[in-house]
Amino acid sequence: KQEVTQIPAALSVPEGENLVLNCSFTDSAIYNLQWFRQDPGKGLTSLLLIQSSQREQTSGRLNASLDKSSGRSTLYIAASQPGDSATYLCAVITLKETSGSRLTFGEGTQLTVNP
Amino acid sequence: DTGVSQDPRHKITKRGQNVTFRCDPISEHNRLYWYRQTLGQGPEFLTYFQNEAQLEKSRLLSDRFSAERPKGSFSTLEIQRTEQGDSAMYLCASSLDRGTDTQYFGPGTRLTVL
Repeated sequence: KQEVTQIPAALSVPEGENLVLNCSFTDSAIYNLQWFRQDPGKGLTSLLLIQSSQREQTSGRLNASLDKSSGRSTLYIAASQPGDSATYLCAVITLKETSGSRLTFGEGTQLTVNP
Repeated sequence: DTGVSQDPRHKITKRGQNVTFRCDPISEHNRLYWYRQTLGQGPEFLTYFQNEAQLEKSRLLSDRFSAERPKGSFSTLEIQRTEQGDSAMYLCASSLDRGTDTQYFGPGTRLTVL
């Protein structure tokens, strides 16, 4: 059974800092990996999707890396801003023949960026 | 707006009542998923539809839960005889069975059972 762990569970940083969020998974036979952002009481916003053949993806100040063999992914946020405050979720994606893509989520990292 | 929509966004009910949630996927998406998210946890898979067929159900989906997608378009999730433990965010996602099969999530329905 795939298990996804995110470290740290919570992080508080001053504005402008660069930071790294970590995600690890137990089964390396994954299809893709996706990072989401969730604001309090809201749904999920997709940030980056890394296909299993890729090593990293970048979008603006965000960079996500994937090392399948070691079961790890990191989300790097450059020059953090108060608006980045949210919960960041990592999801490992596997493909099942009869049930489409299956997302297994970590518990998230709650990020607070202080002005 | 061509994204996934869910209705209602919030539902407060008393224990023992039945509730029904609706999800409208992105129009051309043939796959639809329901997830449940409790406070401080990541979402957990509940069930999956390919067109109108419900192909998989999690063991989290007790016999008080039923989901339908009658015409392969919108879906409903009904909870009968609600319990306080059912309080959670219920998320719907849809995808297209081509390319990366990326799931797109709706805003969720927040259920509070008193």
